[in-house]
Amino acid sequence: DAGVIQSPRHEVTEMGQEVTLRCKPISGHNSLFWYRQTMMRGLELLIYFNNNVPIDDSGMPEDRFSAKMPNASFSTLKIQPSEPRDSAVYFCASTSRGRRGDPYEQYFGPGTRLTVT
Amino acid sequence: GESVGLHLPTLSVQEGDNSIINCAYSNSASDYFIWYKQESGKGPQFIIDIRSNMDKRQGQRVTVLLNKTVKHLSLQIAATQPGDSAVYFCAEIISGGYQKVTFGTGTKLQVIP
Repeated sequence: DAGVIQSPRHEVTEMGQEVTLRCKPISGHNSLFWYRQTMMRGLELLIYFNNNVPIDDSGMPEDRFSAKMPNASFSTLKIQPSEPRDSAVYFCASTSRGRRGDPYEQYFGPGTRLTVT
Repeated sequence: GESVGLHLPTLSVQEGDNSIINCAYSNSASDYFIWYKQESGKGPQFIIDIRSNMDKRQGQRVTVLLNKTVKHLSLQIAATQPGDSAVYFCAEIISGGYQKVTFGTGTKLQVIP
């Protein structure tokens, strides 16, 4: 299994531009999470999907951020317009029933490092 | 940009010694806990988990201890190796319904060869 796949790995863009981050979860996993990691705030949950449906988006910073999951094998996180304070590493994680039926062995992708200048 | 950053607590350990990484969790209703390891440039990776009906669980070279009375979690790594150098996060979960994961701020482990 290739694990969770994220693209691009690095993105540098100018303030005001639209940014789209992509994630392919592990096949068979039914939950997908988007996280943001910064030195200032650590690892923050942005949004969580279960069976392609957004369950909790309370972590999404503001209306400039949106996320979609059109099918079980693909999700996007879009920032429009981007701002310098959005600079961070964005992780996607997926999960299914883990060992002993525990559901929270999350598998993280390698992350997308976003720099907004 | 950011003018203030998280100052991760750092634990420096000699290779071969045992390491103990601590975590205080916030919600007394949390009933499931996970330790993650994050190496530089990578995403967090699952190490070990424990349910609240247990106070100890052992894996390969790692042991997690849970003290619900004081809401404290620890990760013990035996015979620490250079490859153990990473940032370690604890995560707490309230199971049932929407099982939101809350991550701690992390501890950086430096292994001195």
